[in-house]
Amino acid sequence: GENVEQHPSTLSVQEGDSAVIKCTYSDSASNYFPWYKQELGKGPQLIIDIRSNVGEKKDQRIAVTLNKTAKHFSLHITETQPEDSAVYFCAATFDYKLSFGAGTTVTVRA
Amino acid sequence: GAVVSQHPSRVICKSGTSVKIECRSLDFQATTMFWYRQFPKQSLMLMATSNEGSKATYEQGVEKDKFLINHASLTLSTLTVTSAHPEDSSFYICSAYRSRGVGTEAFFGQGTRLTVV
Repeated sequence: GENVEQHPSTLSVQEGDSAVIKCTYSDSASNYFPWYKQELGKGPQLIIDIRSNVGEKKDQRIAVTLNKTAKHFSLHITETQPEDSAVYFCAATFDYKLSFGAGTTVTVRA
Repeated sequence: GAVVSQHPSRVICKSGTSVKIECRSLDFQATTMFWYRQFPKQSLMLMATSNEGSKATYEQGVEKDKFLINHASLTLSTLTVTSAHPEDSSFYICSAYRSRGVGTEAFFGQGTRLTVV
């Protein structure tokens, strides 16, 4: 099955700086890579996703890159704000069953 | 707004009783839904795949008789925790895929915090 590794486990950044989270996956058949933001006591919220036919996708302050050859993908958050503080999960799948990374706790310092 | 609605958000029950959690897809049909369990400060663990009109598919190690899943319609899946015990206390989350022009996207419900006392 798919194995997704996510780093770092915790990330503290100064407000306004950028945050980068990296994930690797094992199954070359995976073709869908979503990122989720989870706030305490709530379900994961889809913030951006990328499919295997593109290498980069951007949505305002959030961007995701995908390197299929190396089997890794990354989340980039620019101009971080306090409300970006949360746990972020990457995931990968080819058959709708998502495999999740362990999560990254992001803390944005004011 | 939310595209997957999950209820209740919190429930406290006594040991030995059963609890039902509902997961609804809003404004779209979901032939397949997924149920996850999440322990504090951990990632999501897939419990089972809920298939409309057929039996659920459970992941290895998940007790079918403990966690009953019913996918009665294209917009509703339910998870019933039977004869609940304190070790069943956890955060349960459902998800469903919504098809869009560029493909499908997986959305999650708000989660249900189950506490068994």
